[in-house]
Amino acid sequence: QVQLEESGPGLVKPSQTLSLSCSVSGVSIRSSGYYWSWIRQHSGKGLEWIGNMYYSGSTYYNPSLKSRITISVDTSKNHFSLQMNSTTAADSAIYYCARAGPADAFDIWGQGTLVTVSS
Amino acid sequence: DIQMTQSPSCLSAFVGDRVTITCRASQSISTYLNWYQLKPGKAPKLLIYTASTLQSGVPSRFSGSGSGTDFTLTITNLQPEDLATYYCQQSYYTSYTFGQGTKLEIK
Repeated sequence: QVQLEESGPGLVKPSQTLSLSCSVSGVSIRSSGYYWSWIRQHSGKGLEWIGNMYYSGSTYYNPSLKSRITISVDTSKNHFSLQMNSTTAADSAIYYCARAGPADAFDIWGQGTLVTVSS
Repeated sequence: DIQMTQSPSCLSAFVGDRVTITCRASQSISTYLNWYQLKPGKAPKLLIYTASTLQSGVPSRFSGSGSGTDFTLTITNLQPEDLATYYCQQSYYTSYTFGQGTKLEIK
């Protein structure tokens, strides 16, 4: 059974870097045909795709966030990470990690982790 | 970016009803349209991918249709556990975008 679990600080100070990790179990992150993704949901709002990474290192970022984010993968630990710098209160959200499978549908998601950007 | 517009934003129905949610893309996305169910505190769930393919394990009362710019998610024989918010998502262009969501309430 494939499972994803997000972890990281729930509180980040404005202008600092938000760092989250997603632990993958039940499947190798090196499996071909899958992208590993980050998605967020602002309180009471819709979903926003942040970016994807393939295990080889290829990345695809949301153009509106591209200048501030880095997604990386650690195949030895079977996890991938998100770093977002220059954070503001507008980055407060529930952050989900997910797997993108056939037709780039997000077929497996973590439960999400709430991140608040506040001093 | 491709804009995805869902309607209605809120929907209330009785157990056993048939409900339909629509999703419109700002340009053609072929059948690269996926539907998700979100419940508070739970991992989001993929229901339908490529417009009409039912994800494994999803009850057959969920179905999807459409192509190009107009798509629908239909739930027949509505059940209490279908209380959730539903989102469409286009995966035609890599800058993926979601609809604004439809909150489904059970009367």
